Amino acid sequence: ETGVTQTPRHLVMGMTNKKSLKCEQHLGHNAMYWYKQSAKKPLELMFVYNFKEQTENNSVPSRFSPECPNSSHLFLHLHTLQPEDSALYLCASSQDLTSGSYEQYFGPGTRLTVT
Amino acid sequence: AQSVTQLGSHVSVSEGALVLLRCNYSSSVPPYLFWYVQYPNQGLQLLLKYTSAATLVKGINGFEAEFKKSETSFHLTKPSAHMSDAAEYFCALKTRKLIFGQGTELSVKP
Repeated sequence: ETGVTQTPRHLVMGMTNKKSLKCEQHLGHNAMYWYKQSAKKPLELMFVYNFKEQTENNSVPSRFSPECPNSSHLFLHLHTLQPEDSALYLCASSQDLTSGSYEQYFGPGTRLTVT
Repeated sequence: AQSVTQLGSHVSVSEGALVLLRCNYSSSVPPYLFWYVQYPNQGLQLLLKYTSAATLVKGINGFEAEFKKSETSFHLTKPSAHMSDAAEYFCALKTRKLIFGQGTELSVKP
């Protein structure tokens, strides 16, 4: 596997379910990100991790819970979601937050539908 | 405040025609700017980046962008559109984090 991978690619869940999204990067990066992409809206940054430490929580509801066990893996735990949470969830990585290499590399996304 | 504005949510061109996607930015510090492309059901792919070196930046797939400080613009161009260029394009500004524009959907007519 190369680049940034995300699983599952598609997820349908009820409002009372608990599920997790997984992201893995094979680029040797130290910063990882979760974005939400809804139709007709700009990308919304949700969380940022740098060297496994959370550096940003962009006022995300607590029903979204991130976890970064190491620099290569990032999870997004979901529970009691709402229909408006249906969106494409994108994971990205970059070298880190301070090295000057600013470009982010994105995974293919998980298409989440909340019923 | 830092911001990115993409003019036109949808642009349609004929195959072989010039592609011009507009991006304007607002930044209180020298900007780092990016263009990303998103094909259907995929993530974002970096097309090119401006990081204060040459003002004309060449990217992948024949795209290029010119940084114009006086106009606070970073428009994306390609001389001749191909059907495979149909996608959504995002301009982004790096501050403490990446700020994305709303996106421009490019359609290419045969």
